[in-house]
Amino acid sequence: SAVISQKPSRDICQRGTSLTIQCQVDSQVTMMFWYRQQPGQSLTLIATANQGSEATYESGFVIDKFPISRPNLTFSTLTVSNMSPEDSSIYLCSVARTGANTEAFFGQGTRLTVV
Amino acid sequence: AQSVTQLDSQVPVFEEAPVELRCNYSSSVPPYLFWYVQYPNQGLQLLLKYLSGSTLVKGINGFEAEFKKSETSFHLTKPSAHMSDAAEYFCAVSDSGGYNKLIFGAGTRLAVHP
Repeated sequence: SAVISQKPSRDICQRGTSLTIQCQVDSQVTMMFWYRQQPGQSLTLIATANQGSEATYESGFVIDKFPISRPNLTFSTLTVSNMSPEDSSIYLCSVARTGANTEAFFGQGTRLTVV
Repeated sequence: AQSVTQLDSQVPVFEEAPVELRCNYSSSVPPYLFWYVQYPNQGLQLLLKYLSGSTLVKGINGFEAEFKKSETSFHLTKPSAHMSDAAEYFCAVSDSGGYNKLIFGAGTRLAVHP
């Protein structure tokens, strides 16, 4: 298994500002992902955080809005830039190891409210 | 592209009644399928997964699911609901054969009534 710590757990931010969310894992993992869960909706993959290289973004998400860092195999950050009320969501970090019978583990999420 | 459809946004049941949460998927390759549960204000927890082999998969908390290729379904069932089962349930399919990057259904909220 993997224990994931996400910080902050929640925040209220002013529009136009930026927030950086941290994801720390208790062991090295191959894959790290960032998801968004908008109010009352399902999870949507934002990007795959690649260690030592630029993140791979899904359709509809861009690096300028959601810059991601992954300096090592246990840590990643997601920044929500120039926030608007539409960015109010839960942002979840997910990790997995490659290989047979692995699974994706999720952090408890960061609940972001933009006012 | 792969997709997941959860046919019911909300399922109400009485305590000790059977539960069925429906999930249909679309995939051009053999899918890896998952059910996750999300309790209020918490992250996601894996209930069970189907990767290959036996089509009837048993998970935690008494849940199980059956992979039916002919029906492209992976419905989640439990013989008897407990109040503690009240939560949001998400069906997911892996993308491009790599079962770490997940595509989620819209979710089904299970409401358990006494």
